[in-house]
Amino acid sequence: SQQGEEDPQALSIQEGENATMNCSYKTSINNLQWYRQNSGRGLVHLILIRSNEREKHSGRLRVTLDTSKKSSSLLITASRAADTASYFCATVANSGGGADGLTFGKGTHLIIQP
Amino acid sequence: DTGVSQDPRHKITKRGQNVTFRCDPISEHNRLYWYRQTLGQGPEFLTYFQNEAQLEKSRLLSDRFSAERPKGSFSTLEIQRTEQGDSAMYLCASSLAQVVGLAKNEQFFGPGTRLTVL
Repeated sequence: SQQGEEDPQALSIQEGENATMNCSYKTSINNLQWYRQNSGRGLVHLILIRSNEREKHSGRLRVTLDTSKKSSSLLITASRAADTASYFCATVANSGGGADGLTFGKGTHLIIQP
Repeated sequence: DTGVSQDPRHKITKRGQNVTFRCDPISEHNRLYWYRQTLGQGPEFLTYFQNEAQLEKSRLLSDRFSAERPKGSFSTLEIQRTEQGDSAMYLCASSLAQVVGLAKNEQFFGPGTRLTVL
């Protein structure tokens, strides 16, 4: 079963605009990760935010995490055509010991219009 | 290229046939994961290994699915008696075991094997 739910399911914006995607999850987490998947290609890790962090930046990416609301957002600033892809949030359970598999949401399909 | 590799990239088979996929992780990674992704969905975790030990297999979809990692390096995922519902992308990922000071479970994915069952 999938824990995360991204919102919106699809987003179309003009090149240069900012894109914001949201993710909600259900259980206590150790960290939350965002991945990008281009059509027909594998997943690429974008950024990881730990449960004790509230905001993190990486280049044009900004991620926030609100553990009280069990939600996260991914902001892509100054979007480019190459940002067209599906974006997934993935969580790691806060269980002790082993490394459980990632639990992914259904993704947000982002289209950047030139 | 030192990333995760998967073979084959595409597989077309007839219903009832067995198929086997291979994954070669990043060489220094001791954890290896298998996921399945169907159209319009995020990946779904199936199983994972730490070295040669399969530590989680309850998420495998049925007893037709099995995975091995005999020497703690590459892994294989086998699906027996394939069904049309098995058609999907099968993704492999690898990671390093948790090290103090590093975040838990940052995974690196391969390009996937796309299975089509006719």
